[in-house]
Amino acid sequence: GENVEQHPSTLSVQEGDSAVIKCTYSDSASNYFPWYKQELGKRPQLIIDIRSNVGEKKDQRIAVTLNKTAKHFSLHITETQPEDSAVYFCAALLGGTSYGKLTFGQGTILTVHP
Amino acid sequence: DSGVTQTPKHLITATGQRVTLRCSPRSGDLSVYWYQQSLDQGLQFLIQYYNGEERAKGNILERFSAQQFPDLHSELNLSSLELGDSALYFCASAFGQGNTGELFFGEGSRLTVL
Repeated sequence: GENVEQHPSTLSVQEGDSAVIKCTYSDSASNYFPWYKQELGKRPQLIIDIRSNVGEKKDQRIAVTLNKTAKHFSLHITETQPEDSAVYFCAALLGGTSYGKLTFGQGTILTVHP
Repeated sequence: DSGVTQTPKHLITATGQRVTLRCSPRSGDLSVYWYQQSLDQGLQFLIQYYNGEERAKGNILERFSAQQFPDLHSELNLSSLELGDSALYFCASAFGQGNTGELFFGEGSRLTVL
């Protein structure tokens, strides 16, 4: 069925290292791919998003890449800091329209050790 | 503060009971989304409304129903509750009817079914 797979489920890095989280999606018509960050006990918040007509997008230490042929997209965090520790969710808009289901991956627990 | 208000924040009830979760979207937002977050299930899309009409439906159980009122607030009704319904229920809002934009999440309503 329509879903979004996210890996890894947990990721532990040292402060200053890079972190990469990968997602794959099943619906080739998907056209919008946001990433949300959820700190412990708080609500999810959008950190970056990318649309299907773009291959890469950067915002300071965060970047997202999209490979439509392979149907996967990735979040890259460089120079990680302890405050980056959180659960990160990828999502894909399934259905190929703007009314489709925004489906989230299972989440990645990122821990950045000082 | 996202501007999305959810009540109640916490709710404890027994199996077989019925509860109603309420959501007030950000001022000016016309779309409301409901998500269920369980420990091992990530963010599961339940349903979306735009300006009072249902726009997209996810894996919402038949025991669950929702509606969006003329003042744009939304309610999620959960009936014949089971232990497995225990979860954090998020409401999110957005301006447009499409999903290619930031969702603003509320703080969530934590439901515990005993």
